[in-house]
Amino acid sequence: GQQVMQIPQYQHVQEGEDFTTYCNSSTTLSNIQWYKQRPGGHPVFLIQLVKSGEVKKQKRLTFQFGEAKKNSSLHITATQTTDVGTYFCAGTGNQFYFGTGTSLTVIP
Amino acid sequence: EAQVTQNPRYLITVTGKKLTVTCSQNMNHEYMSWYRQDPGLGLRQIYYSMNVEVTDKGDVPEGYKVSRKEKRNFPLILESPSPNQTSLYFCASSRRGGPSSGNTIYFGEGSWLTVV
Repeated sequence: GQQVMQIPQYQHVQEGEDFTTYCNSSTTLSNIQWYKQRPGGHPVFLIQLVKSGEVKKQKRLTFQFGEAKKNSSLHITATQTTDVGTYFCAGTGNQFYFGTGTSLTVIP
Repeated sequence: EAQVTQNPRYLITVTGKKLTVTCSQNMNHEYMSWYRQDPGLGLRQIYYSMNVEVTDKGDVPEGYKVSRKEKRNFPLILESPSPNQTSLYFCASSRRGGPSSGNTIYFGEGSWLTVV
């Protein structure tokens, strides 16, 4: 069954507001990856985290891996319409699983 | 250009009529897999292959078959499609060891399948 849960399932924000999606695992993860899927598109790799407590940034996107390596988050500062899409986390516990995804809508 | 190519992109078929979705990658990747995407359920793995002639079941393999006779190709076969197999399907590839070894997954464009 699904071992990686992601919340929220949907998020609507005004352009310029911040956005965060959370990923939680029932087991310790050796790595966690994040993907973005634009509407009508396919998932595209964003980043991978492997170390406990790791934080990585890509422009307005900040990715964190929890100290216990069981959770992760993606935070977008000052959202833009180009951020629209579904964000998936994916982690390796006893197997590799994708989270259920968070669909982000940005209202201009 | 490095890519994963799957066909057809869109298909409407009838219950019970066998169909094959082809997948080919040009990155010389050992690992290939198939996912289906359904609303609220995310991406669920159907089958994966660590290398030629090696295939394993994923989370939702029922009703599907795969084969890996060549490194570049990984077709998905629906022997007798049913309406609950209506979904968006993605083929994907990765370097040796796959994502569990920390490798990036490269996805195809997706195939919309409707079974009526």
